[in-house]
Amino acid sequence: DAGITQSPRHKVTETGTPVTLRCHQTENHRYMYWYRQDPGHGLRLIHYSYGVKDTDKGEVSDGYSVSRSKTEDFLLTLESATSSQTSVYFCATGGGAFEQFFGPGTRLTVL
Amino acid sequence: GENVEQHPSTLSVQEGDSAVIKCTYSDSASNYFPWYKQELGKRPQLIIDIRSNVGEKKDQRIAVTLNKTAKHFSLHITETQPEDSAVYFCAASTLKSGGYQKVTFGTGTKLQVIP
Repeated sequence: DAGITQSPRHKVTETGTPVTLRCHQTENHRYMYWYRQDPGHGLRLIHYSYGVKDTDKGEVSDGYSVSRSKTEDFLLTLESATSSQTSVYFCATGGGAFEQFFGPGTRLTVL
Repeated sequence: GENVEQHPSTLSVQEGDSAVIKCTYSDSASNYFPWYKQELGKRPQLIIDIRSNVGEKKDQRIAVTLNKTAKHFSLHITETQPEDSAVYFCAASTLKSGGYQKVTFGTGTKLQVIP
């Protein structure tokens, strides 16, 4: 599973609170990605990173920010959680031009 | 941007029969087409992939075909088994500047193999 962990694995929070999800990898992969998975939408890219401190937006980035201060960690922050951000969040990593490997996912519920 | 359509959304087959899932994509610059299998509550797992310079690839019971002209690609599973039951996602990927691979996923096919 490419040595990818995510924490927490489950979280319930209230509308308006900030939430940070963590992705940790031990593969020294350069590229890291955050996706959200919702029924009927497949997986949609939120943000990605192509190196330490190098990040950019994906297709559904509104309301999310990311940071990558070291190769192994990629943080996703919901600045003020809303019910529409209830989802399963997957981190993925890639060492090169093609394959991406997924973490176990974080199930987030915003009440 | 890229748009990937996947059909059917659900598929039921008898054990031992074949299953075919079809996808279309819109961006002619897409150069890599992975397929992922996701079991309930688990992470997506890459099961097979094909690059744009190849028309067909096979790995035991699964095969993928690519028609670049028509922008179609398909997953074929032969001799299906109950453990093949899962959600399958196709994806189309485009290499962007900086080496980042922009992957667009289909909406998934729930495959049920009936024993």
